[in-house]
Amino acid sequence: DQQVKQNSPSLSVQEGRISILNCDYTNSMFDYFLWYKKYPAEGPTFLISISSIKDKNEDGRFTVFLNKSAKHLSLHIVPSQPGDSAVYFCAARGNSGGSNYKLTFGKGTLLTVNP
Amino acid sequence: NAGVTQTPKFRILKIGQSMTLQCTQDMNHNYMYWYRQDPGMGLKLIYYSVGAGITDKGEVPNGYNVSRSTTEDFPLRLELAAPSQTSVYFCASSFNEKLFFGSGTQLSVL
Repeated sequence: DQQVKQNSPSLSVQEGRISILNCDYTNSMFDYFLWYKKYPAEGPTFLISISSIKDKNEDGRFTVFLNKSAKHLSLHIVPSQPGDSAVYFCAARGNSGGSNYKLTFGKGTLLTVNP
Repeated sequence: NAGVTQTPKFRILKIGQSMTLQCTQDMNHNYMYWYRQDPGMGLKLIYYSVGAGITDKGEVPNGYNVSRSTTEDFPLRLELAAPSQTSVYFCASSFNEKLFFGSGTQLSVL
């Protein structure tokens, strides 16, 4: 049972345009959401996060939007750069006691930014 | 600052062999984790630890064992390797929900 879903395995955009990566979740107990970026042969690195009490968080070119009623979040990258080409993982944290330190990950979306 | 260090980077095992994947972190984090990533799939939690001497199972613990004798080290043991354990293994540490990952160990069981 996949609790965090990234339904687009890949996305291709032109340099300078906006990239929008989507993520859906099913567990209403999730209270914190994160995006990780992964280059080939490297471990994932933290990109940006958002608490469930907010609907938007911005960090430079990266903005994450959260729609709790739809159980949906999205990552916007503006403007997209070739160096942004990587796999992006959506992850969520549960708030029920012992699960406080474990993340559930989606399958990832491969973003390709074309020059 | 090295962060999270995993060794080896690559390994090929024969069915039934055993091995230990090493993981060490220098950030004094209490929480440590082992994830595996199969092709086209997300990361699945194998085991985690909330501090020295305390470990617990994640989503996919079968075929693995862990120990946590120090804050720094969190080795993952495969006792009887099976082809289903062919995967990329990531160790991570954290003091909150922001995990720091190692660069991974690519393991093939043939």
